[in-house]
Amino acid sequence: GQQLNQSPQSMFIQEGEDVSMNCTSSSIFNTWLWYKQDPGEGPVLLIALYKAGELTSNGRLTAQFGITRKDSFLNISASIPSDVGIYFCAGLDSNYQLIWGAGTKLIIKP
Amino acid sequence: DSGVTQTPKHLITATGQRVTLRCSPRSGDLSVYWYQQSLDQGLQFLIQYYNGEERAKGNILERFSAQQFPDLHSELNLSSLELGDSALYFCASSPEGVSSPLHFGNGTRLTVT
Repeated sequence: GQQLNQSPQSMFIQEGEDVSMNCTSSSIFNTWLWYKQDPGEGPVLLIALYKAGELTSNGRLTAQFGITRKDSFLNISASIPSDVGIYFCAGLDSNYQLIWGAGTKLIIKP
Repeated sequence: DSGVTQTPKHLITATGQRVTLRCSPRSGDLSVYWYQQSLDQGLQFLIQYYNGEERAKGNILERFSAQQFPDLHSELNLSSLELGDSALYFCASSPEGVSSPLHFGNGTRLTVT
C-alpha cells in the first residue's frame, strides 16, 4: 500500500529553537493533515491543508502543502516545553484513503 | 476536549478473553474510525463506519469486529485476546468521510496479561 515517509523520526532540541519536519510520498495527495499527540492522549489536529502551495499558520506552527502535492512540512518556531510530543502527518490520497506517517518524536533537552 | 468519548479508559484482561470498547462520536459526526497504537508505534487503521454501515477496512484481525449503532455510537469487539493485542485503541469521528479532518478520543488502554 501507499506509504508516507515522515522525517525525522525523532528530534532533540533546545528550548527556543525552531523545528522543522516533513512528510513525503511518491503519490499525490489531496489533503494534508498535521496532528500532535501528547503521552497517553489522542492525537489533536493542528493544521489542515487542502490546496497545493497552501501555507497555513496556527500560532507558532506553520505548515505547507507542497506544490507537487507529494509532500508537506511543519515548522514550529521558538519551541517551548509543551511542544514535546509526537507529531503525525496524514495525507488523503486519490482513493480517499487516509495514509499516516510514522510520527516525529520531539524531545526538548533540559 | 475533542468531543469524542471513549470508555473505558483502561482495561486489563487475560489472554483468551473478549472485551468491548465503546465510542461516542462528536455531535453531528456520521463517521467513526477505529485505530490501534502499540507502544511507541504509529497509528494503524482498523475500520471505518459511516452512518451505520462499514465504509472502509484496514488491518483489522478476524478476531476483531466493530459496529455502529443507529444513535451513531460505535463498539469495537476484541475476542480471543493475545498478549500482542495490548495497545491503545483510539476512536475518531468526522462529519462525513475522510475528506473532513478526524477528531480523536483519548483512547482505551488495553492490557492483556
